[in-house]
Amino acid sequence: DGGITQSPKYLFRKEGQNVTLSCEQNLNHDAMYWYRQDPGQGLRLIYYSQIVNDFQKGDIAEGYSVSREKKESFPLTVTSAQKNPTAFYLCASSIKTDTQYFGPGTRLTVL
Amino acid sequence: GENVEQHPSTLSVQEGDSAVIKCTYSDSASNYFPWYKQELGKRPQLIIDIRSNVGEKKDQRIAVTLNKTAKHFSLHITETQPEDSAVYFCAASKGGYQKVTFGTGTKLQVIP
Repeated sequence: DGGITQSPKYLFRKEGQNVTLSCEQNLNHDAMYWYRQDPGQGLRLIYYSQIVNDFQKGDIAEGYSVSREKKESFPLTVTSAQKNPTAFYLCASSIKTDTQYFGPGTRLTVL
Repeated sequence: GENVEQHPSTLSVQEGDSAVIKCTYSDSASNYFPWYKQELGKRPQLIIDIRSNVGEKKDQRIAVTLNKTAKHFSLHITETQPEDSAVYFCAASKGGYQKVTFGTGTKLQVIP
């Protein structure tokens, strides 16, 4: 778990503003994932990437964008099109054994 | 796509008793079933997983059982302790780099 970092830990966004959440891993994992967690709810998949320069939409991709230019990095941008972005955002990575290892999370609040 | 249902949503047990959490999945092609524990404000952490070629797996006080025919799997925690209090998530995937679908979670409270 210590090999996956997310920053910042807390983030505040104003209406109409885009913000970018960072996710870095030094585990040499090929796959990376972004999840959204709302209070009392499970994990919903936003985007995932199986390899550099390739990514797929998850179940709730609208209002979000990602890039995967490096194996180690998978940043998530929350755009102004995401109308209700307040949530806990978790990044994860895995090798081909399916086990996902999670980062510590970023708590995003809209002001 | 895959749908994972998890029950109960909350569970309270006395310290020392057993706790059982049950999940069902919809896609018969799913073959990997992990369980995660998430403490308040922390990241989910894998506690045990099972693949479809086995029916049961045990790790100290934790065990998972899988019934492929019925498409359900369960987490069993014996001799519960206060530090077992957390939210537990089940999940299912088809393996490889396929996406993992999570259940909605069970909040377990162990009463001292």
